[in-house]
Amino acid sequence: SQTIHQWPATLVQPVGSPLSLECTVEGTSNPNLYWYRQAAGRGLQLLFYSVGIGQISSEVPQNLSASRPQDRQFILSSKKLLLSDSGFYLCAWSNRDDQPQHFGDGTRLSIL
Amino acid sequence: GQQLNQSPQSMFIQEGEDVSMNCTSSSIFNTWLWYKQDPGEGPVLLIALYKAGELTSNGRLTAQFGITRKDSFLNISASIPSDVGIYFCAGLKQGAQKLVFGQGTRLTINP
Repeated sequence: SQTIHQWPATLVQPVGSPLSLECTVEGTSNPNLYWYRQAAGRGLQLLFYSVGIGQISSEVPQNLSASRPQDRQFILSSKKLLLSDSGFYLCAWSNRDDQPQHFGDGTRLSIL
Repeated sequence: GQQLNQSPQSMFIQEGEDVSMNCTSSSIFNTWLWYKQDPGEGPVLLIALYKAGELTSNGRLTAQFGITRKDSFLNISASIPSDVGIYFCAGLKQGAQKLVFGQGTRLTINP
């Protein structure tokens, strides 16, 4: 069966520091991969998605970037964090287009 | 971006009551999904609907894909404390890579 792993579970970072969040999927090949952000008590905002290695689509202009160095690895990065980058970051995967997405357990990011 | 209209935004009910929530859209979707999110965790897929008019159950949960393909509802029967959380509907268009989400329904249960 397929599983998705996100780490770390929580992260506290100072303003201006870099960021790297990692997501890996097991048990499937060539999945679509997604990064979402969720503000407290709010809905899900799609940040990036990827349909293959090295292919990244950005949904909103922001201080973040994404990379997919391997088939089942998706990384969310920033060179310099802003206070507004605080939130709950979720990674998700789907088998292909038209298919439901399945979410990881998320990373709670707090910027001080 | 596009969002689905999900209602109600929040519900406060007594344990044992039935719950009903729905999502509507101005455009057609080929797939409707319902997720539940517990505090501090990622959303978990509850039910997936693939055909207009389809009625699907998962334990005490029942969801339907509207015949116009522009709406869906989720019912929970005989609610229990572990049903507390946020429920999201989501739609997928044919060939789409991205989900369109509702704003969520926050369910609170008084014991």
